[in-house]
Amino acid sequence: DVKVTQSSRYLVKRTGEKVFLECVQDMDHENMFWYRQDPGLGLRLIYFSYDVKMKEKGDIPEGYSVSREKKERFSLILESASTNQTSMYLCASSLRGPTNEQFFGPGTRLTVL
Amino acid sequence: AQKITQTQPGMFVQEKEAVTLDCTYDTSDPSYGLFWYKQPSSGEMIFLIYQGSYDQQNATEGRYSLNFQKARKSANLVISASQLGDSAMYFCAMREVTGKLIFGQGTTLQVKP
Repeated sequence: DVKVTQSSRYLVKRTGEKVFLECVQDMDHENMFWYRQDPGLGLRLIYFSYDVKMKEKGDIPEGYSVSREKKERFSLILESASTNQTSMYLCASSLRGPTNEQFFGPGTRLTVL
Repeated sequence: AQKITQTQPGMFVQEKEAVTLDCTYDTSDPSYGLFWYKQPSSGEMIFLIYQGSYDQQNATEGRYSLNFQKARKSANLVISASQLGDSAMYFCAMREVTGKLIFGQGTTLQVKP
């Protein structure tokens, strides 16, 4: 079974803190993604990566950065957390190819106070 | 711009009955893929079914089928013989040629006993 794990299920941080969200997949997937999920807005893509050290901006990259030093790990970084970044963050991975579904991690619910 | 629309924020269905969740999309790309995901209250995203833009037949997976009407740009999910465990949020998503997924706002389905 494909397994995508995220470092925390719940996280509480203060405004201005630097926040790291880690995602690891164990199926040798090339593609990895970070989304945030907010009520009424569905999932919105923050960043994605097609390969190690590669990254592409999604639809809402402002205030975020990412790092992919190893194939299995994709990190999302909030350089200076703000209250409007309180959200559910979901990581996903997939094989290359148009028919391959994305497999999701359990999500991290981040609260910024 | 590519867009996915789910117009039903919430739906109710009686146990053992069939239910249709609506999804319309907008794209000018000839090649795309359509996905449905289920998100139970626990938060994980579960892949249900996939339809490619060039597929001639509607996709089916067990009790799930996708009513794909290309000319109308709709990709409705049909769940037959609803079960209590089907209560969840359902997301329609479209895969662009870049590999990105665009999600709709989601539909919350509640199955009544």
